[in-house]
Amino acid sequence: GAVVSQHPSRVICKSGTSVKIECRSLDFQATTMFWYRQFPKKSLMLMATSNEGSKATYEQGVEKDKFLINHASLTLSTLTVTSAHPEDSSFYICSARKIVQGPQETQYFGPGTRLLVL
Amino acid sequence: AQSVAQPEDQVNVAEGNPLTVKCTYSVSGNPYLFWYVQYPNRGLQFLLKYITGDNLVKGSYGFEAEFNKSQTSFHLKKPSALVSDSALYFCAVRTTSGTYKYIFGTGTRLKVLA
Repeated sequence: GAVVSQHPSRVICKSGTSVKIECRSLDFQATTMFWYRQFPKKSLMLMATSNEGSKATYEQGVEKDKFLINHASLTLSTLTVTSAHPEDSSFYICSARKIVQGPQETQYFGPGTRLLVL
Repeated sequence: AQSVAQPEDQVNVAEGNPLTVKCTYSVSGNPYLFWYVQYPNRGLQFLLKYITGDNLVKGSYGFEAEFNKSQTSFHLKKPSALVSDSALYFCAVRTTSGTYKYIFGTGTRLKVLA
């Protein structure tokens, strides 16, 4: 199997606080994880690529100081939304890349985290 | 630039009828194509992928997809739809260099009517 978990599944916080979301690959090691944001009735927007042991690579337009990513081990990446505001409310999904060999790699997605900032 | 298009926002089909969810792509080089399904408030579940080989790819839950190079399409199909297939379906293409990012289509909502 290839199971990816996220914690928490749902979080409500006050404006100005920081929220940490964890993404774990439960039965495989993932040198690369990805963080997506999904707006209502919209597709997934890639926010950043998280590489184990190195800095994350952010997509254009994504504030790296606001969305802090840490990939400290081969099974865990965290996304911290700093000084959250209501416009940060969204569904955040992570994925982990399971490398089989060469082009056979596939991304497996976590169940998502619903963030609501009041 | 690599891109994926899903021309239909929603597809309605009667239970038991065949279903098709369309996807076209634009890539440089050989395409790596994927289909994922998303149920409400859930992450994406992998259905199937095309890397190379047979143009007809079989995946989970009875779904299959046909890779058509001349039409640059990768339509998702199922011979007999179930009400439980109702969900949001995403087609994706993987970039062929760098960190192998996925580029997703806008999604197609499938509604299977009993």
